[in-house]
Amino acid sequence: NAGVTQTPKFQVLKTGQSMTLQCAQDMNHNSMYWYRQDPGMGLRLIYYSASEGTTDKGEVPNGYNVSRLNKREFSLRLESAAPSQTSVYFCASRGLAGGRTDTQYFGPGTRLTVL
Amino acid sequence: AQSVTQLGSHVSVSEGALVLLRCNYSSSVPPYLFWYVQYPNQGLQLLLKYTTGATLVKGINGFEAEFKKSETSFHLTKPSAHMSDAAEYFCAVSYTGGFKTIFGAGTRLFVKA
Repeated sequence: NAGVTQTPKFQVLKTGQSMTLQCAQDMNHNSMYWYRQDPGMGLRLIYYSASEGTTDKGEVPNGYNVSRLNKREFSLRLESAAPSQTSVYFCASRGLAGGRTDTQYFGPGTRLTVL
Repeated sequence: AQSVTQLGSHVSVSEGALVLLRCNYSSSVPPYLFWYVQYPNQGLQLLLKYTTGATLVKGINGFEAEFKKSETSFHLTKPSAHMSDAAEYFCAVSYTGGFKTIFGAGTRLFVKA
């Protein structure tokens, strides 16, 4: 099992450029998440998908869009990158065991710099 | 609104000393509580979690945490720090039937030789 994989690992963009961050999980989890991590601010939820076919906004959705392509894949798109979107982006997935909240599993992250 | 507060953005201990990382949460319903660890340039990985049952929870690498409902706390401890424990630690909370997990701002642990 690879767990949660993310591509690319690093990316540098110019202001106004667009890009898509890819995420895939092989644990048959229903829920998937995108977070950004900035110094001193912990992890902030951008978007999540509770199950295949649904997506919802998190705490900081502005400037981002997502697609839950299938149960395995959840992509994050920056349509017009801004310097404020310089951050480390983490994808995570979570399964529900017996109806209870369960652990999130994280990918290795994408380090994005917007110039 | 639910929230998680980690006291101290940086904690420094000597090798062999007690590690204590503090976490308090606010919640109107019974929470599920987690500690995650993040090593440099890596994603987060689960250290331990409390869902129901015994309030003292043991995790990997000798860490443990105790859920104290009356204090709304879930502090992380380890009796003897090791150099390999140097990392950032995140406390997190979620709820029955909920899809979101709320993370604290993180505490970076430094271990001195």
